Amino acid sequence: DSGVTQTPKHLITATGQRVTLRCSPRSGDLSVYWYQQSLDQGLQFLIQYYNGEERAKGNILERFSAQQFPDLHSELNLSSLELGDSALYFCASSVDPGGPHEQFFGPGTRLTVL
Amino acid sequence: EDKVVQSPLSLVVHEGDTVTLNCSYEVTNFRSLLWYKQEKKAPTFLFMLTSSGIEKKSGRLSSILDKKELFSILNITATQTGDSAVYLCAVDLSGTYKYIFGTGTRLKVLA
Repeated sequence: DSGVTQTPKHLITATGQRVTLRCSPRSGDLSVYWYQQSLDQGLQFLIQYYNGEERAKGNILERFSAQQFPDLHSELNLSSLELGDSALYFCASSVDPGGPHEQFFGPGTRLTVL
Repeated sequence: EDKVVQSPLSLVVHEGDTVTLNCSYEVTNFRSLLWYKQEKKAPTFLFMLTSSGIEKKSGRLSSILDKKELFSILNITATQTGDSAVYLCAVDLSGTYKYIFGTGTRLKVLA
């Protein structure tokens, strides 16, 4: 158990819908990262937050957004969902991005868009 | 464009064999290289390498980094069926707060 929690574990929804994925980092970690993992691709970095502020963006679609709250939990919002958005979404946390530090991954949320 | 390439893509061995997994990278502002093991769940951290030539070791697993030739290897000796997993390599980019992951090497160890 890495100490990073993610909810829900599974999510099944329809195209065009909007969903919210939630992540709580390890105790003491200020940095949260979001990744998407599809069957045919590796882990794709989406976005990173440090202590409530956005620090880095990867290949995140405009339909996706995220935020980190004062209690350091983070939410990833996915809207106007398409079939291709079906994937495993991981959250990871680290002490801070000033590193180098290893990231600790949550169990993931498996999103299925029908 | 920053990239991390792992080879081979997949590997099937028998218990007791030794395997070597490769990770090469072309990135700007390299800071560290990390190895993760991913079974049917979240990646779990194995090693973090920042300096060339210094081997990191944990049980039957070891890893080393070559910053001149821009690659790292992960060795697993006396493989066991429990080593079956996808092994991911990632590079941490200084100043960008980003980690670039390779697509992984899928290892299957047969009894």
